[in-house]
Amino acid sequence: AQKVTQAQTEISVVEKEDVTLDCVYETRDTTYYLFWYKQPPSGELVFLIRRNSFDEQNEISGRYSWNFQKSTSSFNFTITASQVVDSAVYFCALSESSGGKSTFGDGTTLTVKP
Amino acid sequence: GAVVSQHPSWVICKSGTSVKIECRSLDFQATTMFWYRQFPKQSLMLMATSNEGSKATYEQGVEKDKFLINHASLTLSTLTVTSAHPEDSSFYICSAQTLPRNGVYNEQFFGPGTRLTVL
Repeated sequence: AQKVTQAQTEISVVEKEDVTLDCVYETRDTTYYLFWYKQPPSGELVFLIRRNSFDEQNEISGRYSWNFQKSTSSFNFTITASQVVDSAVYFCALSESSGGKSTFGDGTTLTVKP
Repeated sequence: GAVVSQHPSWVICKSGTSVKIECRSLDFQATTMFWYRQFPKQSLMLMATSNEGSKATYEQGVEKDKFLINHASLTLSTLTVTSAHPEDSSFYICSAQTLPRNGVYNEQFFGPGTRLTVL
């Protein structure tokens, strides 16, 4: 069975601070996909990144960066110089090899204070 | 990216009535769509996998007779909550999966969600 654990339920930071959201996953599949989504108060999921299990390269996109460590089954997400607009719930998710149904973590609520 | 719409975006109904929620892939065909449910301050939980032209596959603990899913075309799946009760009040989110590209990954795109409130 697949499982995604986001140990941090809530994080609060002050604007311009860096913040890392942790994600640990469990799967028996050798091929799988990992995702991060942002869910603002409106509820609509915003896709941030997809990473497949064979690509352990870290990725940077503007203020966002992701650290995929297969050895520790972790896929952590860092926001550099956080902004108030980053306040949202962030979900880490795991998908089976076919790219099908996703298993979501419980989410981390990030609050960035001005 | 591809667009998935849901209708209605929110609905309020009386206990005992049935509510239909539509999920449409607007600019691509989706042989597979997924229905998730999200209670307040909780994660998304997969309810069922909807396959075009065949019966949906329900996750353990989800009543198939209560949550009727129909995937009649490659761009439309519907979820009908039958005899809704207050405990069915939730945020329902669908996602649509593209056909494989270059034989590789099927991308998944999420709809904006439907907020159901049962009085």
